Amino acid sequence: GAGVSQSPRYKVAKRGQDVALRCDPISGHVSLFWYQQALGQGPEFLTYFQNEAQLDKSGLPSDRFFAERPEGSVSTLKIQRTQKEDSAVYLCASSLGGEGTEAFFGQGTRLTVV
Amino acid sequence: GESVGLHLPTLSVQEGDNSIINCAYSNSASDYFIWYKQESGKGPQFIIDIRSNMDKRQGQRVTVLLNKTVKHLSLQIAATQPGDSAVYFCAENPSNTGKLIFGQGTTLQVKP
Repeated sequence: GAGVSQSPRYKVAKRGQDVALRCDPISGHVSLFWYQQALGQGPEFLTYFQNEAQLDKSGLPSDRFFAERPEGSVSTLKIQRTQKEDSAVYLCASSLGGEGTEAFFGQGTRLTVV
Repeated sequence: GESVGLHLPTLSVQEGDNSIINCAYSNSASDYFIWYKQESGKGPQFIIDIRSNMDKRQGQRVTVLLNKTVKHLSLQIAATQPGDSAVYFCAENPSNTGKLIFGQGTTLQVKP
């Protein structure tokens, strides 16, 4: 596709539910990143993939958060037993990879936990 | 610890004036910096980047200045237009993997 696509755009979950957020990166992009953006804040790094390998997951806030990219393309961020503090916009970005290559962001998924 | 911050939460300018948005970073090991623009309901959009071996880089209507001595980054927008209204973030890439550390953002308001 022309850009990074994320779905759904909006998700409302009851506390305790599991959610899955999808990211379709730009075709051919090796690197894929997930960020969490709280209201009025800058994005915060969650995890990073190079192809199918998850090279850095240091930003995942708890073991309720899990990300995968099994075929090196589409990625899914899963949040188990959602809590109110998980409410945020979840952004996905992809890049060609390598030093200093531009990262392109999707529009994000706004998750609201009620 | 690693952090990137912005000096002013909101900047209001008159249409046609020049805008300057500032950023301070703390990780002296960072060698790549990027400015992003984020409009409401959208993801961050790349504006311009700069490497630490440069102190100035120009794009179309935008200029980024880097002062490594005081760890300061600025974004200058010439002839600011209403379409420039957005939140602007500076970000640093300390590990050269593309993993970015963002500041909190400056809201730019352009008055017609």
